Amino acid sequence: GENVEQHPSTLSVQEGDSAVIKCTYSDSASNYFPWYKQELGKGPQLIIDIRSNVGEKKDQRIAVTLNKTAKHFSLHITETQPEDSAVYFCAAQWAGSQGNLIFGKGTKLSVKP
Amino acid sequence: SAVISQKPSRDICQRGTSLTIQCQVDSQVTMMFWYRQQPGQSLTLIATANQGSEATYESGFVIDKFPISRPNLTFSTLTVSNMSPEDSSIYLCSVSDSPSGNTIYFGEGSWLTVV
Repeated sequence: GENVEQHPSTLSVQEGDSAVIKCTYSDSASNYFPWYKQELGKGPQLIIDIRSNVGEKKDQRIAVTLNKTAKHFSLHITETQPEDSAVYFCAAQWAGSQGNLIFGKGTKLSVKP
Repeated sequence: SAVISQKPSRDICQRGTSLTIQCQVDSQVTMMFWYRQQPGQSLTLIATANQGSEATYESGFVIDKFPISRPNLTFSTLTVSNMSPEDSSIYLCSVSDSPSGNTIYFGEGSWLTVV
């Protein structure tokens, strides 16, 4: 089955710097890759997603890139702010598995003011 | 995106008891799912809640332990039966309005502690 690895497990940056979180997946049939932000005491919030027919997607300060050949995808946050501090999860889903997202173990991002 | 409400938001439960979690969505959705997030861990799919029929369970999860109902397109329940401390987790209702089951949104979760 699918396996998703996420790095780093913790990341600390200064406010204004960029943050990059990387994930790799094992199943080449996976075709959907969302990213979630989970703040303390809350449920995961979908912040951006990408499908396998697209190489990059941006939404303001957030971007996701996908390399299908290498089977990895990354989240890029620019101009980080203290409110970006949270746990970020990547996930992968293959075409035949409706709703079954396989999650990475998460990255705890701390943005220092 | 749909607004997902879960009840209870938090509870402390006695070992051996059962608890039913309710999930209400503010609009009709194609698919509803239940995930579990153990303390400090990632998320794992328990089952897909099917309207009017038995839920589809993932490997490692069984109906006797996690009975699920979905009477209509906006409501589902998950029961955690005969609880033990190992069941202490966040239980998350999630929905998708995509036929492919993509674009999944999560509720705020029900935080259960079993003592």
